Amino acid sequence: AQKITQTQPGMFVQEKEAVTLDCTYDTSDQSYGLFWYKQPSSGEMIFLIYQGSYDEQNATEGRYSLNFQKARKSANLVISASQLGDSAMYFCAMRGPNNNAGNMLTFGGGTRLMVKP
Amino acid sequence: DAGITQSPRHKVTETGTPVTLRCHQTENHRYMYWYRQDPGHGLRLIHYSYGVKDTDKGEVSDGYSVSRSKTEDFLLTLESATSSQTSVYFCAATTSGARNEQFFGPGTRLTVL
Repeated sequence: AQKITQTQPGMFVQEKEAVTLDCTYDTSDQSYGLFWYKQPSSGEMIFLIYQGSYDEQNATEGRYSLNFQKARKSANLVISASQLGDSAMYFCAMRGPNNNAGNMLTFGGGTRLMVKP
Repeated sequence: DAGITQSPRHKVTETGTPVTLRCHQTENHRYMYWYRQDPGHGLRLIHYSYGVKDTDKGEVSDGYSVSRSKTEDFLLTLESATSSQTSVYFCAATTSGARNEQFFGPGTRLTVL
């Protein structure tokens, strides 16, 4: 069974500083994918970034980057130059190997990030 | 919003009553999912569908059933609602492919009294 662990229930960061949100995962599969989603107070789930288990380079999307350490089974999200609008819940999720479930995701418990002005 | 809508957006019901939540998508996604979100648990998969009339159970399927008679619609039914089913329900959809993100609907807040 797959498991995602986010050990930081809540974090503060000063505006314009960088912040790292931790995510560790457990799987016996060789092929898998890792996602990060943002959930602002309005409730919608917003896709941020994706990392495949065979990708050799860390994924980047604008101010978001994923620090992927396969041997340690970690996939930390790094947000550079934090903005007030980054205040939200952040979820790490894993997709297992393709089967009938397609991209079925297993989610971590989330980290609430609060950006201070 | 990737063309996914959910209805109703909010519902209050009483224990023991049946409830049906609807998910509608306009992008012809093959795979559709129902998740529930509870504090401290993130999102947990209830049921999923990999095609019309093809569905299967997820992690927390007890007390729920689903149906998919058309590509665009995925229904979640609580046959007899219980207070433990008070939650926020998200529908999601995706095409096949390893890198494809999963698109989420806006969520339905269900309260069972």
